[in-house]
Formats: sequence, C-alpha cells, structure tokens
Amino acid sequence: GAVVSQHPSWVICKSGTSVKIECRSLDFQATTMFWYRQFPKQSLMLMATSNEGSKATYEQGVEKDKFLINHASLTLSTLTVTSAHPEDSSFYICSARGRQKTYEQYFGPGTRLTVT
Amino acid sequence: DAKTTQPNSMESNEEEPVHLPCNHSTISGTDYIHWYRQLPSQGPEYVIHGLTSNVNNRMASLAIAEDRKSSTLILHRATLRDAAVYYCILRRMDSSYKLIFGSGTRLLVRP
Repeated sequence: GAVVSQHPSWVICKSGTSVKIECRSLDFQATTMFWYRQFPKQSLMLMATSNEGSKATYEQGVEKDKFLINHASLTLSTLTVTSAHPEDSSFYICSARGRQKTYEQYFGPGTRLTVT
Repeated sequence: DAKTTQPNSMESNEEEPVHLPCNHSTISGTDYIHWYRQLPSQGPEYVIHGLTSNVNNRMASLAIAEDRKSSTLILHRATLRDAAVYYCILRRMDSSYKLIFGSGTRLLVRP
C-alpha cells in the first residue's frame, strides 16, 4: 500500500514551452502533497506544499508563477513548469502524506525533465 | 530549520552492521528525527523516526542520544540493496509536516 506515481517518468521539451507533471496517490487519500527538485549529485530541495482544495505554499526563492501547482483532488496534484528554460532541467519528485501514519511521506519515483 | 550534519560517505561490508551518525546540536524540543533513504534514480523512502526514545522497526534501529544532539541509524545486517543515500532530517512538530533534506550520507556496501 501507500503508492505514489508520477507521470511522465521523463520528458524532453523545447525552451519556452510548458510542461505538466502529474502526481497521484494510488491507494490512499493524500491530505498534503509536496513537490521537490533535485539536481544531479545534490539533495532534494522542497519547492512547495499543497493541500487539497487550497493554494500551494511555496518555499522562499521558488517562483510561484513559474511553477504552478494544482491539488484538485485528494489523489492528484500537478506541477506545471511554465516557459521552461534549460536551467529548469532537473529531477522533480512529489510526495504525499495520508491521514494514517501522518508522520510518513510517500515519495513518487520522480520525473526527469530535460529542456533543450 | 534546525540543521543536521552527516558524513558524506561511508562504506560497509555485506552482512555486517552499519552505524550511520547524524549530528543535530541545534535540535529543539519539538523536532522529530526522521531518516529517509534514496536508492539510485528513485524517490526517497521512509526508514524510521523518533523523538526521544530509541526505536526499532523491520528496516533499522534508531539510537538517540540522551541530550538529543545526535542520533545513529543502525542497519543490523547490510545488504547490497541497502546501498543508498541516507538522509537524517529534523521535522518540526507543526502542521506543515515539511521535510527539509540535508546532504545525506552515501552508503556503499561491498560484497
């Protein structure tokens, strides 16, 4: 149980276009979802926290107009990278927290974004 | 957010115990100590967490110093599948449930 999926697993897009990444909790309802970014050989950096039905809370230094987060239901959150540039190329990982075992975050497998 | 300090890397032999240290001298009374690990090209996975007392689960044990300024993750018998980056994280006891990852320890397991 407690599986989180991401789609797509990898994506290549051209500079200036927008890309949407989906994060789904498959077998539980996620009260909170988190989005992270990870550059090669580096640690995860928390980008934002989203609760179902409310606006996301972004970490300091993360541009909310560039990284649009929507948490439309208890099982789905989306991250849209708008007007992507090569420096946005990274590994994007989501996690979800359910109502049970609230101390534990379940992470998705990640999405590799390459902007050319 | 309180900071944690971990060695960059450690090595272990297969089937031997591994002790992964973490220093968190600025920990507050409302911080939980969490450990997650990340296998190559995957998202992190929960390992264990604690507040004051030592904790055991099927994956590992967590030993917390009496003053809570340090902790040690113990893998009782390392396997090749345990090769990963291990993150020690302090999570504030508030409603955000945010995890702020540090640099972690890369564990190499020798066959």
